[in-house]
Amino acid sequence: NAGVTQTPKFQVLKTGQSMTLQCAQDMNHEYMSWYRQDPGMGLRLIHYSVGAGITDQGEVPNGYNVSRSTTEDFPLRLLSAAPSQTSVYFCASSYSAGDSPLHFGNGTRLTVT
Amino acid sequence: QQPVQSPQAVILREGEDAVINCSSSKALYSVHWYRQKHGEAPVFLMILLKGGEQKGHDKISASFNEKKQQSSLYLTASQLSYSGTYFCGTEQAAGNKLTFGGGTRVLVKP
Repeated sequence: NAGVTQTPKFQVLKTGQSMTLQCAQDMNHEYMSWYRQDPGMGLRLIHYSVGAGITDQGEVPNGYNVSRSTTEDFPLRLLSAAPSQTSVYFCASSYSAGDSPLHFGNGTRLTVT
Repeated sequence: QQPVQSPQAVILREGEDAVINCSSSKALYSVHWYRQKHGEAPVFLMILLKGGEQKGHDKISASFNEKKQQSSLYLTASQLSYSGTYFCGTEQAAGNKLTFGGGTRVLVKP
């Protein structure tokens, strides 16, 4: 099993550009989420989903959109990139929210110039 | 509401013990603990559900005091491999979002 797969691993954007970070899991997990981690900081929740067709905002949702059309995929869209969005982005999934372990992808390192 | 972790950093000699605390101002349904090595993704250690249970993972164990909305992670007889940043994550209700504390950096020296 691949687990949680994130693409790309690295990305450089110019201010104002848009892009989509991809996240896919092959474990049939219902719960998926996106976190950002700034240097030396903790993990901040951007958006999460408890199942296909259901998404909700986390702690820092501004500037990001998500959708969950299938159980497997949970893409994160940056609408108009800003330097403040420079960060490492982690996608994570679990069988169900809260009472089962989160499996993290390897992360996407995004730089916005 | 993010949980608060303390201390922010701890330096240990191999074989020493340490305690990391995680507290919330709101009632908790579950507490997760993860360890992250530099440049890697966080890795799951354990989950504690409300009920005051204690769990163990090798020489790493944790407790959850539901009434005080606190959890503690115990590193016993620390090994070099225990170095990394430890994060607690909390959920306030079943099926709700999981939010993380700011992390505790642990460095175990020979």
